[in-house]
Amino acid sequence: GENVEQHPSTLSVQEGDSAVIKCTYSDSASNYFPWYKQELGKRPQLIIDIRSNVGEKKDQRIAVTLNKTAKHFSLHITETQPEDSAVYFCAASRRDYQLIWGAGTKLIIKP
Amino acid sequence: DADVTQTPRNRITKTGKRIMLECSQTKGHDRMYWYRQDPGLGLRLIYYSFDVKDINKGEISDGYSVSRQAQAKFSLSLESAIPNQTALYFCATSGNTGELFFGEGSRLTVL
Repeated sequence: GENVEQHPSTLSVQEGDSAVIKCTYSDSASNYFPWYKQELGKRPQLIIDIRSNVGEKKDQRIAVTLNKTAKHFSLHITETQPEDSAVYFCAASRRDYQLIWGAGTKLIIKP
Repeated sequence: DADVTQTPRNRITKTGKRIMLECSQTKGHDRMYWYRQDPGLGLRLIYYSFDVKDINKGEISDGYSVSRQAQAKFSLSLESAIPNQTALYFCATSGNTGELFFGEGSRLTVL
């Protein structure tokens, strides 16, 4: 069936360094790929998304890249800061327009 | 942000009891969702509704039922709770952009 694999499950980086989280999806019909951030004890919130007609999208320190041929997309965070510590979820749209979610990546920013 | 409100926020109950989680929204969105979050498993869709007369099963609907009482209200019921339904439950809404707006979550413990 359809699935989204997300790696790594935990990522620890030094403050100021970059972080990259990768997801692969199985449904070739997927055309919408959002990333959500969930801080400890809070609700998930959308931080960036990309649609299949573009290969890259940036918003300040955050960027997402999409490779439709390889069926993978990645989240890039540059100049990481303590407030970037959270769990990040990727997702891909299904044919019925619902989302299939990755299992999440816990990002730890070391001071 | 009280746009999507869930009650109760925390509930402890016993096996076999009936439980209802309620969700209301002031965003004016037609689409509403119930998700379940378990550590290491990400978010899994239980039910979703595109309008008052539309109810659809998600990937893990067994043991759950829903009611869409109005555009702004979507409730989730566990007719006979069991321990493996212990989880964090999120209600969410979405509009035309596809972005999901989550409630603060309802933590359910079934003993």
